[in-house]
Amino acid sequence: DIVMTQSPDSLAVSLGERATINCKSSRSVLYSSNNKNDLAWYQQKPGQPPRLLIYWASTRESGVPDRFSGSGSGTDFTLTISGLQAEDVAVYYCQQCYTTPHTFGQGTKVEIK
Amino acid sequence: QVQLVQSGAEVKKPGASVKISCKASGYTFTSNYIDWARQAPGQGLEWMAMINPGGGRAIYAPKFQGRVILTSDTSASTVYMDLSSLTSNDTAVYYCGRTRSNSWFEATDYWGQGTLVTVSS
Repeated sequence: DIVMTQSPDSLAVSLGERATINCKSSRSVLYSSNNKNDLAWYQQKPGQPPRLLIYWASTRESGVPDRFSGSGSGTDFTLTISGLQAEDVAVYYCQQCYTTPHTFGQGTKVEIK
Repeated sequence: QVQLVQSGAEVKKPGASVKISCKASGYTFTSNYIDWARQAPGQGLEWMAMINPGGGRAIYAPKFQGRVILTSDTSASTVYMDLSSLTSNDTAVYYCGRTRSNSWFEATDYWGQGTLVTVSS
């Protein structure tokens, strides 16, 4: 299985400031057929299912605010929230879909400082 | 609009089995894979398995191989997940989700509301 490791486990950011979450995969998730990285980011709020934010490492899902952006390649990826809003308080997960099982990172809890 | 509606909460005894349904609507049922993940209380997400609802081909995480069976009823636009030999470690919220396309390597863009399974003697 590909192991996904997120850092940090939690972070507190002031409203309007930038939040950065890292995700590292135990091996490359670069899909050779389209030269894209098969990495997704989800947001989960308490009592709710996950919400897809980013897929193919950097493509924003429809309806997701543009303050959310994804970057990275190979084994190292980043989710950036530019200008944290109160409604962004949640746990964020990365997931690789390059191979099954589609493993998730352990999650990063984002709070307001 | 795309919707995935799961069956209700279950309470089971150790050693029993549970069958959860996931009814899809708002799109062509056979055009996307359905996958399943679970979340134990206070824990993270754990991917379990996925199925091509049209062809019936299922892929299982090694951890769950032999204990999980996914089936699809195209006439009812419903996927079922059967989990057997339950232990207290299987107490969790179980989610079904739809992949973005008919490829197994896509992310999940819609999720069901979740089904709480409690395993207790």
